[in-house]
Amino acid sequence: DAKTTQPNSMESNEEEPVHLPCNHSTISGTDYIHWYRQLPSQGPEYVIHGLTSNVNNRMASLAIAEDRKSSTLILHRATLRDAAVYYCILRDDWGSQGNLIFGKGTKLSVKP
Amino acid sequence: SAVISQKPSRDICQRGTSLTIQCQVDSQVTMMFWYRQQPGQSLTLIATANQGSEATYESGFVIDKFPISRPNLTFSTLTVSNMSPEDSSIYLCSVEEDPDTQYFGPGTRLTVL
Repeated sequence: DAKTTQPNSMESNEEEPVHLPCNHSTISGTDYIHWYRQLPSQGPEYVIHGLTSNVNNRMASLAIAEDRKSSTLILHRATLRDAAVYYCILRDDWGSQGNLIFGKGTKLSVKP
Repeated sequence: SAVISQKPSRDICQRGTSLTIQCQVDSQVTMMFWYRQQPGQSLTLIATANQGSEATYESGFVIDKFPISRPNLTFSTLTVSNMSPEDSSIYLCSVEEDPDTQYFGPGTRLTVL
């Protein structure tokens, strides 16, 4: 699986949008971009994933660059509960055994 | 989405002993995974456990140290054998229910003295 690069940490104010970047310059054509987050003292939880087009769900939006070498997870209005480590993961779902390769992620702090 | 529980939630063990961690899912799933998260670190996959076959271990993890059982489609156990302080970690199980999504248990926090 290709590697991703994320900032170690980011800060946001409550109720403001947050843009979490991820670089994946060696992404292959069959790699999906997955985002998970890990709240303190909990297991990771799925946030969103996409292949080429931008994606929206109730938790977040995923903006994928046209060349697919980068993507951005967008939290539209950060809450204190969004403070977590966010992981950007590439996964080749074609024939994959399903394992996720976690990097170090971005630790998001949300200030009231 | 699948709901996953793990037992115990935490434990403190003496070196040289073994601990078996249980993972229970509220639905039948084919693929289950065991991860380790060392203090301050990210998650590392230990093994994939599919029902009806032997677990597949990742590089650096061996069956003698981390034996896994998968007796049915809703349950799995991971044993941490002959423990040392370096085994102090959070151990998490996960399942793949949808083709693209994994659901994680709350983790078992293990401290080895």
